[in-house]
Amino acid sequence: AQTVTQSQPEMSVQEAETVTLSCTYDTSESDYYLFWYKQPPSRQMILVIRQEAYKQQNATENRFSVNFQKAAKSFSLKISDSQLGDAAMYFCAYVSNSGYALNFGKGTSLLVTP
Amino acid sequence: ETGVTQTPRHLVMGMTNKKSLKCEQHLGHNAMYWYKQSAKKPLELMFVYNFKEQTENNSVPSRFSPECPNSSHLFLHLHTLQPEDSALYLCASSQGLAGVYEQYFGPGTRLTVT
Repeated sequence: AQTVTQSQPEMSVQEAETVTLSCTYDTSESDYYLFWYKQPPSRQMILVIRQEAYKQQNATENRFSVNFQKAAKSFSLKISDSQLGDAAMYFCAYVSNSGYALNFGKGTSLLVTP
Repeated sequence: ETGVTQTPRHLVMGMTNKKSLKCEQHLGHNAMYWYKQSAKKPLELMFVYNFKEQTENNSVPSRFSPECPNSSHLFLHLHTLQPEDSALYLCASSQGLAGVYEQYFGPGTRLTVT
């Protein structure tokens, strides 16, 4: 079974600063996908960024980027130039290439202070 | 309406009641999912439907009964629930199964069982 671990229940960052959220996962598969989802207080879960395991290049989406270390099974999210609207729960998730069931971590609550 | 919608947004029910949660997706997707989100726990996949056919029942108690009359609608029928069933129930959809397809989430139904 695959497990996803987010070791930081809460994180805080000042506006305009950079913050990194950690995620590790356990799998015996070689082909899979990793995701970061954001769930603001309004509760709608939205996809922030996705990484295909077969790609060595780290994914980036504007101010969001990942540090994907396949050998270490680590998938951290970096948020640059943090904004108040970035405050939310962030979930790391895994799915194998042959599967469809997302395995989620417990989430990290990000607080952004002015 | 766009995306994935869920009704009701909040529901309070007694242990002997029967109620239903509704999910509708306007994205032309073929797969739909029910997830349970409890405090301090990772999201748990409950059911998966692909082209109206149930492909997964993740050991969910029979007091939860899903129904998928077509690819756009998904229901979760509830009866004789327990207080520990209180949670946020999220619906999601994707174009197909497999990790390559992004899952789009609805806003959720906050269920309280008294």
